Amino acid sequence: KAGVTQTPRYLIKTRGQQVTLSCSPISGHRSVSWYQQTPGQGLQFLFEYFSETQRNKGNFPGRFSGRQFSNSRSEMNVSTLELGDSALYLCASSLLFRDISTGELFFGEGSRLTVL
Amino acid sequence: TQLLEQSPQFLSIQEGENLTVYCNSSSVFSSLQWYRQEPGEGPVLLVTVVTGGEVKKLKRLTFQFGDARKDSSLHITAAQPGDTGLYLCAGSYNTDKLIFGTGTRLQVFP
Repeated sequence: KAGVTQTPRYLIKTRGQQVTLSCSPISGHRSVSWYQQTPGQGLQFLFEYFSETQRNKGNFPGRFSGRQFSNSRSEMNVSTLELGDSALYLCASSLLFRDISTGELFFGEGSRLTVL
Repeated sequence: TQLLEQSPQFLSIQEGENLTVYCNSSSVFSSLQWYRQEPGEGPVLLVTVVTGGEVKKLKRLTFQFGDARKDSSLHITAAQPGDTGLYLCAGSYNTDKLIFGTGTRLQVFP
């Protein structure tokens, strides 16, 4: 079955712009979580959505937001981009919300954002 | 903020050598996972451990969860170039979110 699909794979933006990233989970998975990966900070949790509701949020400023649609697809948005937002943004899906801690997270290949 | 410290940060070895990667925290995990991430790809789950003292084997990889559930180790026997990648531990302190470790980047040379 198809894996987690993230688009776009690569993008370049300038400071002050905004960006929207998309994630299509594995068919049947209802939970989508987002992570930011940078060489200095590693993988940091952004937020998790289940059944169109944000269930958990990491320690990121309000410029980072997301949403989930009725078909479980998710988007995240970063407004007023800063240089430090340059990172690989990973989306992961899992079958159920409570599955996140003991079940498997299936990751996409990520969207690599470069802010100039 | 909970922190998962992994050591070593980088490891470069020859094919056939053994190695151990460590994951430590000051807090107790409810469960812990190990992932491997290859360049250009997302992390892929290797194992989940839940019980203190638990040992799981996956071919040449042996995973151990500390008795107090605050630490874990990954041991690779006779490493191969295909084992090259970023190894990440990830712990859950409650049922809600997964915190990832700082990562160990392994390079195995033929």
